[in-house]
Amino acid sequence: AQSVAQPEDQVNVAEGNPLTVKCTYSVSGNPYLFWYVQYPNRGLQFLLKYITGDNLVKGSYGFEAEFNKSQTSFHLKKPSALVSDSALYFCAVSRLGSARQLTFGSGTQLTVLP
Amino acid sequence: GAGVSQSPSNKVTEKGKDVELRCDPISGHTALYWYRQSLGQGLEFLIYFQGNSAPDKSGLPSDRFSAERTGGSVSTLTIQRTQQEDSAVYLCASSSGTGPGSPLHFGNGTRLTVT
Repeated sequence: AQSVAQPEDQVNVAEGNPLTVKCTYSVSGNPYLFWYVQYPNRGLQFLLKYITGDNLVKGSYGFEAEFNKSQTSFHLKKPSALVSDSALYFCAVSRLGSARQLTFGSGTQLTVLP
Repeated sequence: GAGVSQSPSNKVTEKGKDVELRCDPISGHTALYWYRQSLGQGLEFLIYFQGNSAPDKSGLPSDRFSAERTGGSVSTLTIQRTQQEDSAVYLCASSSGTGPGSPLHFGNGTRLTVT
């Protein structure tokens, strides 16, 4: 079985400050890790993914995430938050051979305060 | 190009009625998924179609739920005898790849309210 934990339901950060949204995972074998963002009344949009290679992955809108195998984490980061980054963020994991593919975390609501 | 299209965007129905939700995936995408998103909850997997293979129905919560995908393209999710606990946003997604590293492209969802 595979699972994802997002320990924070809500993260508040001031505009211009760095932000981190946490994610830990559990999966047998090598993980494929994703971050998606959901704006109000919209579907999810793909932000970035880790498959293999460099542990630091860069994605859309200036976001990046760091894969840490020993801590089984894949935290989402951005050096300087924007008010427009306020949204619901989902971490997801899959593994080779999983026909169902993605298992999503419960989501973290990010609010960037002006 | 056109993204994943879902219709209707909103549906209000009375308890006990049947509803059909439609999903038009991105052209050429072989994989299609249905998820349910309840208020304050994450995404709950419902069903997965991949090409001509038998669908993975393991996420359907009860036998009132069913889905089909015609011609490898459009999909319909049917909920029979709706209950209030079925109220949620139903999201459809498609993917071009068969491997687990292929990102999903989501529609904007259908918000279902059962009164």
